[in-house]
Order: sequence, then structure tokens, then C-alpha cells
Amino acid sequence: EDQVTQSPEALRLQEGESSSLNCSYTVSGLRGLFWYRQDPGKGPEFLFTLYSAGEEKEKERLKATLTKKESFLHITAPKPEDSATYLCAVRGNEKLTFGTGTRLTIIP
Amino acid sequence: ETGVTQTPRHLVMGMTNKKSLKCEQHLGHNAMYWYKQSAKKPLELMFVYNFKEQTENNSVPSRFSPECPNSSHLFLHLHTLQPEDSALYLCASSPNLPGQGANTIYFGEGSWLTVV
Repeated sequence: EDQVTQSPEALRLQEGESSSLNCSYTVSGLRGLFWYRQDPGKGPEFLFTLYSAGEEKEKERLKATLTKKESFLHITAPKPEDSATYLCAVRGNEKLTFGTGTRLTIIP
Repeated sequence: ETGVTQTPRHLVMGMTNKKSLKCEQHLGHNAMYWYKQSAKKPLELMFVYNFKEQTENNSVPSRFSPECPNSSHLFLHLHTLQPEDSALYLCASSPNLPGQGANTIYFGEGSWLTVV
């Protein structure tokens, strides 16, 4: 059975303090790893798709990386508006499996 | 604006009521989904439609009844719900079904449902 574990569950950072969120996964036949951002009371907003180990993608202060067992979402010099829950999902042979997310709070 | 529009955004209903959630996607996608999101739990897939045909039902109770009249519209009809059904219901769409090429799923803003 495909599994996704995200850590930490919650993370508080000072504005400008860089850090990383982790997504560990086990999947039969990885067909894609997805990162989403979700603001309170809203639907998940698509950020990145990664397909193979070694792949990296960037968007503003965010960079996603992928290995054969985990993905990291690096956030560089975060701002308060980066506060949100970040969800990771993996697509195996047939279905998409989500993690429970990391709730990120950036303190001004 | 995500290209997937859900209405209503908030709904409060009694356990004996009948209500419906509506979803419309403007992305030209072929697949549409209903997900349930509860606190501290991963997103739960409920139903999948491809070209308006249901391809997946994840053992969802019959008090939830989906309808997909065409590739752009999806409904979730609700009847005699329980308080534990209170959650955020998310509609989503993707270009194709899982396993059929690059298939990023795009979500709507969700409908907050409270059952009293």
C-alpha cells in the first residue's frame, strides 16, 4: 500500500529563517510527486510536480527536490505570506495518496 | 482563480435535509473528482469521473450521491447526513485519469459542510 508521511506536523519560523519540509513516501511505481499549498478554509493550490529522483523545481522562495524515498520543500528567507499548510502527494500505478501536511507559520 | 469553481462555499444542513454541492471546471479537463477533507486526516478520495462516466467509488455511503452530466460539471447530492459528515468537500479536475500521462489535479476552493 502506498504511504506518505510528512514532517514536521507543524513548524514555526521567524521571517527570513530558511528551513525544509519533508515528505517520505513508499509507492509502487512512482508516476509523480506533487506539492500543494493550502490556506485556511481554501482548496489546495498546486505548486510542483516531480517525476524522477534528482529532479528539482523552484518557484519564488520555494524549491522542491526528490530522491527515491523522500522529497523536500525548501523555503528560503520566508515571509509571513508563506504561512500555510503544505501538502505532499504521490501517484503510484493507479491512485494519488496524500500526506496529512505540514502547517507552516512565519512570524514577522 | 483556479479554474474549478465550487458552490456553495458554506452549507449548514440538518440531518433530514437534502442539499447539493455544485462544481464546474473551466480547464477543458476530462476527469473530475470529489474529495473529503477532515481535520488531521489526509484527503479522502470519494468519487472519480472520466468523460462523465463514474470510474471509482471508494466505498462511499449512499447518502452521498454524485452526478456528472458532462465533463465540465459535477454535483454531490446530500441526503440524511450525519454530524460526522461535517467536513470540507473538495472538487478537483485533471486532464486525464491516473495512469494516463501527466495528471496534475487542480482543486476548487471547497465547500464547507456542517451537519447539525
